[in-house]
Amino acid sequence: AQSVTQPDIHITVSEGASLELRCNYSYGATPYLFWYVQSPGQGLQLLLKYFSGDTLVQGIKGFEAEFKRSQSSFNLRKPSVHWSDAAEYFCAVGGYQKVTFGTGTKLQVIP
Amino acid sequence: DAGITQSPRHKVTETGTPVTLRCHQTENHRYMYWYRQDPGHGLRLIHYSYGVKDTDKGEVSDGYSVSRSKTEDFLLTLESATSSQTSVYFCAIRDSATNEKLFFGSGTQLSVL
Repeated sequence: AQSVTQPDIHITVSEGASLELRCNYSYGATPYLFWYVQSPGQGLQLLLKYFSGDTLVQGIKGFEAEFKRSQSSFNLRKPSVHWSDAAEYFCAVGGYQKVTFGTGTKLQVIP
Repeated sequence: DAGITQSPRHKVTETGTPVTLRCHQTENHRYMYWYRQDPGHGLRLIHYSYGVKDTDKGEVSDGYSVSRSKTEDFLLTLESATSSQTSVYFCAIRDSATNEKLFFGSGTQLSVL
């Protein structure tokens, strides 16, 4: 069965600092991988996705993620965090039909 | 963005009553999904559909049923609502041409008292 683990429930970073959110997945073949962001009271917005090709993918709002097959990971990074990045971030893995989400990581940004 | 609407947006009901949530799309996508979102659990898949009258269970399907009689509509029914089903419910559609990202609806806040 496919699954996603986001080991960090909460992360606090200072504005301007770098960010890395961890995501590990379990899937039997080459997966589709996604990162979504959800601001308080809002719906989910796609940040980036990976299907094949270059393992470093660029997304919106200055985010990037790297697919590492050997580690079954798809970590999200941003070199310099802005206060507006405070939100909850979800990693997801999907195949041809089902898409499974992790439990999310809440990001707090402090001045 | 994708044409996907959920109704109602908010619902308060009593334990034991039936409840139906509707998801409507204008994109003609093949795949439709129902998720529930709860603190500490992220989004959990309830049921999904891969075509008219073609549905399958997700990881938390107990107590829920679905129907898809038309491409554009995917209904989620709580046959007898329980307090544990208080949650925010999201419908999503997936571009069947590219099998790429999910587009999400705005969500339905359901409270079962």
